Amino acid sequence: DTEVTQTPKHLVMGMTNKKSLKCEQHMGHRAMYWYKQKAKKPPELMFVYSYEKLSINESVPSRFSPECPNSSLLNLHLHALQPEDSALYLCASRDVRGVQYFGAGTRLSVL
Amino acid sequence: DAKTTQPPSMDCAEGRAANLPCNHSTISGNEYVYWYRQIHSQGPQYIIHGLKNNETNEMASLIITEDRKSSTLILPHATLRDTAVYYCIVRVTMGNYGGSQGNLIFGKGTKLSVKP
Repeated sequence: DTEVTQTPKHLVMGMTNKKSLKCEQHMGHRAMYWYKQKAKKPPELMFVYSYEKLSINESVPSRFSPECPNSSLLNLHLHALQPEDSALYLCASRDVRGVQYFGAGTRLSVL
Repeated sequence: DAKTTQPPSMDCAEGRAANLPCNHSTISGNEYVYWYRQIHSQGPQYIIHGLKNNETNEMASLIITEDRKSSTLILPHATLRDTAVYYCIVRVTMGNYGGSQGNLIFGKGTKLSVKP
């Protein structure tokens, strides 16, 4: 099983809402990632978790709050987002060869 | 990190081989070449990777020049479903999960259009 599952697939939220994105993998990978992708642009790295600890935060605004409750699960908590935060949010996990496996993404629209 | 240069777009006839080039002239000795693709509105998909030897799997072949300054991804019999953006990424890899070496930095990639 090389699947990374992201939920929800689509999310519409207002600027005052609080929502969470969820990512799950059962491949035993101990590195997990959040990326943001705007239309017609490549994915941009946001956060890296290594052994369930945050190892990289690419200067992401605090309205994005990641969480790794266990080795299989990664969450991204969203609060007070702006319309420019509308994008495809991708989760990935990595094996020891350096290969990353991506989920299908959550398409987020902030109104 | 070694930077990569790819053509912004390429066309290929269905059933023919698609050869996607990538230049990575500043690659270090311990950096691997990874290829991913992203079909419209989906997450990126791993294709293949290699260090210096040519590699082949069920999806594609990877040809790395002897000086390792460039590589070519070959899709032997392109289909319409192979239409996607193809990313060539050069990274150090590690046998564990620590450090930042496993992180992927995506460039703009090559938009491959397979036409009937």
